Parts: sequence; C-alpha cells; structure tokens
Amino acid sequence: QVHLVESGGGLVKPGGSLRLSCAASGFTFSDYYMTWIRQGPGKGLECIAYISGSGTDIHYVDSVKGRFTISRDNAKNSLFLQVDSLRADDTAVYYCARKAREPEGWGQGTQVTVSS
Amino acid sequence: DVVMTQSPLSLPVTLGQPASISCRSSQGLVHSDGNTYLNWFQQRPGQSPRRLIYRVSNRDSGVPDRFSGSGSGTDFTLKISRVEAEDVGIYYCMQGRHWPHTFGQGTKLEIK
Repeated sequence: QVHLVESGGGLVKPGGSLRLSCAASGFTFSDYYMTWIRQGPGKGLECIAYISGSGTDIHYVDSVKGRFTISRDNAKNSLFLQVDSLRADDTAVYYCARKAREPEGWGQGTQVTVSS
Repeated sequence: DVVMTQSPLSLPVTLGQPASISCRSSQGLVHSDGNTYLNWFQQRPGQSPRRLIYRVSNRDSGVPDRFSGSGSGTDFTLKISRVEAEDVGIYYCMQGRHWPHTFGQGTKLEIK
C-alpha cells in the first residue's frame, strides 16, 4: 500500500526558499521513480520534476529549471524538492507521487504560497 | 510540449446515466517499450487526484468496473457506464510519454 506524506510548505516572500519533503512507506522506495506535481489555485496540474530510484536520472520542466532541485534519500525513504528564487506563479499545492509516467499514490499535498 | 485537449469541460449527468470524456493528444503516446502512457485521474472535491486508469485501459485496484478507458494513437476516452453520486469531481487525462508529462484541462462532472 503506497503511502506518501508531503510536508515543508508555507508562506514565503518572492525570492525566498523552501525545502519540501515527501515521506514514503508501504513499498521499496529505492525501486521506484518518484515525481513532484503541482496544482496552482484554480489551475490544472503540472508535472515539475522526476527522479529515478538511484537518483541518477533527473528531469525538470523548463519553468523551474535552475530554481528547483529534486533529490532523494533512499536510506530514509524520503523525497525532497528544494525550491529557490520563488515567484508568485509558484504558488500551488505540491504533490509527490510514485512513478513518473503513470503517477500513483499521491499524497495529500503541501501548500506553497509566495506573497509579499 | 504535448497538448492534451479534453472535451467536454463541463459534464452534467443524471444519476444512473452513462458519461463519456474525450482526450486528444497533440502527439502520439506510444513509447518504444510498446506501452501507451495515457492515464486518467479523478479529483473529488477537496481531495488529491487519484489514478483511475493507466496505459489507456488498465483499471487501478479498487476502481469500480463502471469506469473504463479506451483509445489509441492520439484519441482516448474515459467512460462511466452508470454515474453515481460519488463520481462528482474533476477528471484529468495525462500523458507520460513525452517530458514534460502533461495533463488535460480537466472535465468537471456534476449531477443534473
């Protein structure tokens, strides 16, 4: 049973940073690609980054390249998203999910609000 | 980026009646591994999205068999054979073939 719990969101000023975390349980974490997906207020869903089980295969959507960094700690069954240089349009609920091409087991999400 | 176009965007349905949502991709979704990475998700009010269907037509565990997916190439369909009250929400298609993986705009299903 896939269980994912996101945390680390909050209210931050433009240009600020946060580190989002996703705690995984119920499966062998290191065997799976993981992905971050966000949903802006009244907006649709956007896949923003994914990482392979070993951490060697990483991809970002253009809108976050150079500002966001995805990583994982397989020993701690945890996925991370370092979000820097935040802008107002980064305001969204951030979800983690297992697998990249067919994301499953989404967590409840963590809210990131960028506002002065 | 691959554009996923859903129709209709609003779908009022009478309880017990069928419903159908169309999804068209701007590029083909068949991967070199032979799989077609087209998924369907349901987002009930106040909840996270939940995957219903993966690889066009494979229903996830616990998903009622009134939900079915079909299609090929660039045209895909999600069908609900008999709509129930718990089906209210927004339905999204998503392609996982080309990065960035992209979602349709969403179809809001409501009960008439």
